[in-house]
Amino acid sequence: QSALTQPASVSGSPGQSITLSCTGTKNDVGSYNFVSWFQQYPGKSPKLILYDITERPSGVSSRFSGSKSANTASLTISGLQGEDEADYYCCSYARSGTWVFGGGTKVTVL
Amino acid sequence: QVQLVESGGGVVQPGGSLTLSCAASGFTFSTFSMHWLRQVPGKGLEWVTSVSFDGDHPKYADSVKGRFTISRDNSKDTLFLQMNSLRGDDSAVYFCARGISGTHFDSWGQGTLVTVSS
Repeated sequence: QSALTQPASVSGSPGQSITLSCTGTKNDVGSYNFVSWFQQYPGKSPKLILYDITERPSGVSSRFSGSKSANTASLTISGLQGEDEADYYCCSYARSGTWVFGGGTKVTVL
Repeated sequence: QVQLVESGGGVVQPGGSLTLSCAASGFTFSTFSMHWLRQVPGKGLEWVTSVSFDGDHPKYADSVKGRFTISRDNSKDTLFLQMNSLRGDDSAVYFCARGISGTHFDSWGQGTLVTVSS
């Protein structure tokens, strides 16, 4: 159960768009469309912001969007805002009912 | 609204045991799969284990297989994690989360801290 690969940090200016990548293998991201993304503020529990690659839970801003190509999933944050400054984790279903996370990306709003 | 409240964390010596609980409310607990996940403070998230709605078909991460046991009491809307042979690298905040359709987990608890130290 190897971790998915995420960049340690991504930054952008307010109003810009940024894209976070999440690279796995054919055993997880590449084989299943069950990729989800979580936003986490310091000292808080993770919050689901995308699931099944592109689906947004009720109440989550449409500025968050997702995609997948081969073994890499991506989260795009459009119209970057100060409140988007947080840690973001991707997660994928893997074989045999297990799950794997990425190491997380710290988003900084300049 | 969905609420998950973990408890049972604390300090335990290496090789010791601890049982965590997760009290659920605000939804029909007996119809959802449930998960335990953990996070070393300042580090990333790790999926630990899951159990189906009826308590069958538990799954475990390789790192805890044979040492941890997940269970649930649907009559009490409570999820459990029995942790044995604890090691230093088991030290983390442990979260319970609700599973949705086998594709993701949505609601998380606030977490309970487990520290394995002599």
